[in-house]
Amino acid sequence: EVQLVESGGGLVQPGGSLRLSCEASGFTFSDHFMDWVRQAPGKGLEWVGRIRNKVHSYSTEYAASVKGRFTISRDDSKNSLSLQMNSLKTDDTAVYYCGRGVAAAGTVWFEPWGQGTLVTVSS
Amino acid sequence: DIQLTQSPSFLSASVGDRVTITCRASQGISSFLAWCQQKPGKAPKLLIYAASTLQSGVPSRFSGSGSGTEFTLTISSLQPEDFATYYCQQLNSYPLTFGGGTKVEIK
Repeated sequence: EVQLVESGGGLVQPGGSLRLSCEASGFTFSDHFMDWVRQAPGKGLEWVGRIRNKVHSYSTEYAASVKGRFTISRDDSKNSLSLQMNSLKTDDTAVYYCGRGVAAAGTVWFEPWGQGTLVTVSS
Repeated sequence: DIQLTQSPSFLSASVGDRVTITCRASQGISSFLAWCQQKPGKAPKLLIYAASTLQSGVPSRFSGSGSGTEFTLTISSLQPEDFATYYCQQLNSYPLTFGGGTKVEIK
């Protein structure tokens, strides 16, 4: 069974840093692109960023709202994905989900998603 | 950035009803559109990708259509477990974007 388990969320002050992790199991992690998506309380879904696999040089893409502050990385030896979040703002308060990218029909889709971890940025 | 506009944003329906949700893209995205379902407190779940391909395990009462800028998600006969929020998502170009969501509630 494919599983994604996020961890590392919590309460952090504005300007602070936090590192989220996503542990993967049940599939060959190194083959897949991986994404982060977030959802502010009571709001819709917002894509955060993507890291590609080794074949694609582990290249990354980010949403404009987080570019320069957030960094996505992965450790294929540990089946682990990370999201380093710096210079956090109150607007970054959200549940953060990791998602597995699955290649089909000419692009890469998210399936499945983890259960999410809550990040609260507040003084 | 590609904007996705979903309509309606809220829908009240009864079990057994046929339900249609529309997603309009601000520019052409070919068929690079997905639909996902989210229940309260849960992670989103992929229902349809490539505009019309049903994800494995998803009931056949769900269907998708469209290409370019206009897409629809149809539930042929609404079931109690289908009451949820539905999002469209475009994967044509970065940044990847989602529609604002359609909440389907029990009438």
